[in-house]
Amino acid sequence: SQQGEEDPQALSIQEGENATMNCSYKTSINNLQWYRQNSGRGLVHLILIRSNEREKHSGRLRVTLDTSKKSSSLLITASRAADTASYFCATAPYNTDKLIFGTGTRLQVFP
Amino acid sequence: ETGVTQTPRHLVMGMTNKKSLKCEQHLGHNAMYWYKQSAKKPLELMFVYNFKEQTENNSVPSRFSPECPNSSHLFLHLHTLQPEDSALYLCASSQEFFEGSGYTFGSGTRLTVV
Repeated sequence: SQQGEEDPQALSIQEGENATMNCSYKTSINNLQWYRQNSGRGLVHLILIRSNEREKHSGRLRVTLDTSKKSSSLLITASRAADTASYFCATAPYNTDKLIFGTGTRLQVFP
Repeated sequence: ETGVTQTPRHLVMGMTNKKSLKCEQHLGHNAMYWYKQSAKKPLELMFVYNFKEQTENNSVPSRFSPECPNSSHLFLHLHTLQPEDSALYLCASSQEFFEGSGYTFGSGTRLTVV
């Protein structure tokens, strides 16, 4: 069964605004990762947060993890048109090395 | 270029054809994966190889046959496919049990079965 679900499914914002995407999952995890995919291309790893971490930053990205609620959020600050893409969360279930992906959020940033 | 190369980029095949998808990585990773991405569905994990050994077969039909001759190369052999097998097939690699860098994906092969 599907491990991760992103919310919202689609998000449209203006350049300069912040974009927040949420992810929920079902089982205990080793870590949670966020990936980006431009249309019809491969996925690019953005950031990884371990199960014992609560928040992590990378440039304009901020990820939070709440293991008690089995949820994570990805915040992109000061968005740019080039941030337009689909964003996926992926979880590594406990004691496995395989990644299970969610359904993704399609982000559209208008200039 | 991510370090994971997939060929071909696009493939159109008839239901009676036999074709192969190729994936190559020279990142020194010891785990490789095949994923299927269909429209409006989550990425589906198909196969996992660790140190050339298959460790996961996610109930994939036998018309898909993986092969991993060494830790740098991964193939997906296709035969007698169905139109619903049309999708983007993504290969990825990682360093097993090293959490730092996540997966590295190739650009995918867009497969159309006619």
